[in-house]
Order: sequence, then structure tokens, then C-alpha cells
Amino acid sequence: KAGVTQTPRYLIKTRGQQVTLSCSPISGHRSVSWYQQTPGQGLQFLFEYFSETQRNKGNFPGRFSGRQFSNSRSEMNVSTLELGDSALYLCASSLGGLAGLYEQYFGPGTRLTVT
Amino acid sequence: DAKTTQPNSMESNEEEPVHLPCNHSTISGTDYIHWYRQLPSQGPEYVIHGLTSNVNNRMASLAIAEDRKSSTLILHRATLRDAAVYYCILQGAQKLVFGQGTRLTINP
Repeated sequence: KAGVTQTPRYLIKTRGQQVTLSCSPISGHRSVSWYQQTPGQGLQFLFEYFSETQRNKGNFPGRFSGRQFSNSRSEMNVSTLELGDSALYLCASSLGGLAGLYEQYFGPGTRLTVT
Repeated sequence: DAKTTQPNSMESNEEEPVHLPCNHSTISGTDYIHWYRQLPSQGPEYVIHGLTSNVNNRMASLAIAEDRKSSTLILHRATLRDAAVYYCILQGAQKLVFGQGTRLTINP
């Protein structure tokens, strides 16, 4: 089975711009989660989607949003970029059943740099 | 979100067993104990998880205390490839709340 893929792998944007990141989960996985990783804050949960519905959301401002399509692929969008949004954005997929029961599989991440 | 406490760093020698401890005194009855690791320049990788009973898989073993307030990840024969940051996480919802983890160094 192919693993979780994320595109693009690297991105450079300017403050004030917006960005869209894409994630393709493992075939058959219906849950997609997004995480932000920075040296200062570590790995932080952004949100999780299951069957096109957001089930969980972390403590991030409304500039961070996401969606999931019927084929389970997911996108996250960050509007009005700030310097502090520079981070590695990780996507993870799982079967998504009973909470905690299934492991998550992470993609390689998208490295976003905001200048 | 229930919290976990892990040592910041640990060191071991190649081909020796490694025991990585985790305290989670506020665990609820429905929280699963998950372990992930992150190798340099990679996304986190699932290692093992359990609820109440000890668990074994090809990568590691998970020993869970009877009161579930602590657990230990056991790598039976460490290799250099096992050098990573190991995260102990309580998962009660469809999200992983990562702490700072334990940075494991393996000496040749």
C-alpha cells in the first residue's frame, strides 16, 4: 500500500498571503488529521476529519481551516500568513473508527516558510 | 486532555534492551496508550498501543501498570536506527496530543 502523501513538500510564502496544503491518505483510511510542528511548540494538533466532517479541532485561530473530500483526500488552508506560521505541517491518516483504537500513519510533511 | 510525563532524554548501547518510562496518572478508563517515535527529518511513526493488557509487536513491547497510571515501552535489542524522539500519548479522541517526548540516543 502506498503511504500518506503530502504536496507540496516545500513552500515559501510571504506574510499576508494564503496557502493550501494537500494530503492523500492511505487507501481505505477515512480519517485525516493535521498537525503543526515547530521547534518551540513541538507537535500540535490542528484538526481531524472523518467522512468529510470535522470531528476534532485544536486551539488554532480561524485562519487555519481544512476540508475533506469524498475520496478522503484532505486540504488545509492558512489565510493571512504570519511569520509564526513557518512550520512543518504533518498529515496523518487512520481507519478512524473507535477513538484511540487505531494507529495513525504520518506523511513526510510540508515545510512552510513565511518571509 | 490527559497529560503524560516522560524523561527528556535517555541513552543506551546498541544491542541492549531499552526501557522508556511514561507516567500518566490522570488517564481515564477509555484512553488508549499510544507510542510514536520520530526519527530525524521524518514524520512520526507509530510504534505500539494498548488499553489495559501488555502488548507485543515486531517493533517493541508495551508494559502497562495494573492501575494504568504508568507504562513502559521496551525495545528488546536497540539498534542505531532506534535513535529518535519517543512520544507517549493518551488517545481518547481522534487526536494525538504530543508532549515533549524522550530523546533516545543509542551508542555504538
